Amino acid sequence: AQTVTQSQPEMSVQEAETVTLSCTYDTSENNYYLFWYKQPPSRQMILVIRQEAYKQQNATENRFSVNFQKAAKSFSLKISDSQLGDTAMYFCAFMKPLGGGSQGNLIFGKGTKLSVKP
Amino acid sequence: NAGVMQNPRHLVRRRGQEARLRCSPMKGHSHVYWYRQLPEEGLKFMVYLQKENIIDESGMPKERFSAEFPKEGPSILRIQQVVRGDSAAYFCASSPRWGGTTEAFFGQGTRLTVV
Repeated sequence: AQTVTQSQPEMSVQEAETVTLSCTYDTSENNYYLFWYKQPPSRQMILVIRQEAYKQQNATENRFSVNFQKAAKSFSLKISDSQLGDTAMYFCAFMKPLGGGSQGNLIFGKGTKLSVKP
Repeated sequence: NAGVMQNPRHLVRRRGQEARLRCSPMKGHSHVYWYRQLPEEGLKFMVYLQKENIIDESGMPKERFSAEFPKEGPSILRIQQVVRGDSAAYFCASSPRWGGTTEAFFGQGTRLTVV
């Protein structure tokens, strides 16, 4: 069974600085998808960034980028120029592709609580 | 185009009562996933439904929990005879098709409190 581990329960960063959130996962699959979701105090789950395992290039979305190390099964999220609005819980998630019993459901880590301080 | 709508946002039930949670997927989406988030935990998959069909309920407790997604109307997650351990946030996500790189859109969740 797949598992997702986020080893940092809480982190803090000063506004405008850079922070990296770590995520490791365990799978025997060769092809899969990885995601980072943000959950602010409103509880809304917001997709931040996604990565297809077959793509070697790291995904980037504005101030958010990932460091995807497939062999190490590591998928860290880097937030540059941190803003107060980045304060939230961040969840790493794994999804198998279709077929072979996979139904497209997400497997989440326990989350990292990020606080951006002014 | 409204997002995924869940209601109610907050639900309080006494032990032994029934809880009904509703999820209206985004327009054009025929695939719905339900997840449960316990305090200080990540989301855990419960059930996956398409219109009028339960496709995968491997994450759902065997007793007291049921889900449906009728041809017309919202998807319903029903919890009978609630207990304190059912207190959690329940999220619904919808997708136009399952898997692949299609983003799953989440609702704002229903926070169930059992007293």
